[in-house]
Amino acid sequence: AQTVTQSQPEMSVQEAETVTLSCTYDTSESDYYLFWYKQPPSRQMILVIRQEAYKQQNATENRFSVNFQKAAKSFSLKISDSQLGDAAMYFCAYRRRQGAQKLVFGQGTRLTINP
Amino acid sequence: SAVISQKPSRDICQRGTSLTIQCQVDSQVTMMFWYRQQPGQSLTLIATANQGSEATYESGFVIDKFPISRPNLTFSTLTVSNMSPEDSSIYLCSVNKGTIDRGAFFGQGTRLTVV
Repeated sequence: AQTVTQSQPEMSVQEAETVTLSCTYDTSESDYYLFWYKQPPSRQMILVIRQEAYKQQNATENRFSVNFQKAAKSFSLKISDSQLGDAAMYFCAYRRRQGAQKLVFGQGTRLTINP
Repeated sequence: SAVISQKPSRDICQRGTSLTIQCQVDSQVTMMFWYRQQPGQSLTLIATANQGSEATYESGFVIDKFPISRPNLTFSTLTVSNMSPEDSSIYLCSVNKGTIDRGAFFGQGTRLTVV
């Protein structure tokens, strides 16, 4: 079974600085997707960024980028120029490319932005 | 993107009663997913609902406790039966829409408190 681990329950960063959230996963599959979701206090799950395992190039979305290390099964999220609106729970998630389409989530990291 | 309307947004229920949560999607989707998020925890998949067939439940979740209906391709309900305080959680409906790698879309969640 696939597992996703986020070892940082909480992180904090000063506004405008950069922060990196860690995620590792375990799978025997070779083709899959990885995601980072943001959950603000409103409870709405918002997709931040996604990565296809077959792509070597790291995904970027504006201030958000990932460091995808397939051999190490590592998928970290870097947030540049942190803003107050970035404060939220961040979940790393895994999904197989074929077969079951469910998401497997990590435990989450609570990110606080200090003004 | 997909617009997912989930009702109710929150409820406080007496133990021993049942609550039905509704999920309406703005377009047809093949699979709908129901997740549970216990207080301070990550999301765990309860079941996958396909139209025209029985829902597929994850280990630890049973149909008698969490019956699911999927009458058409845009609607599903999840019932939490014979509730106890341990059922107090956020319940989220999710769909995959568009190309397979676009990630999942989520409803705003139902915050259930059982007293």
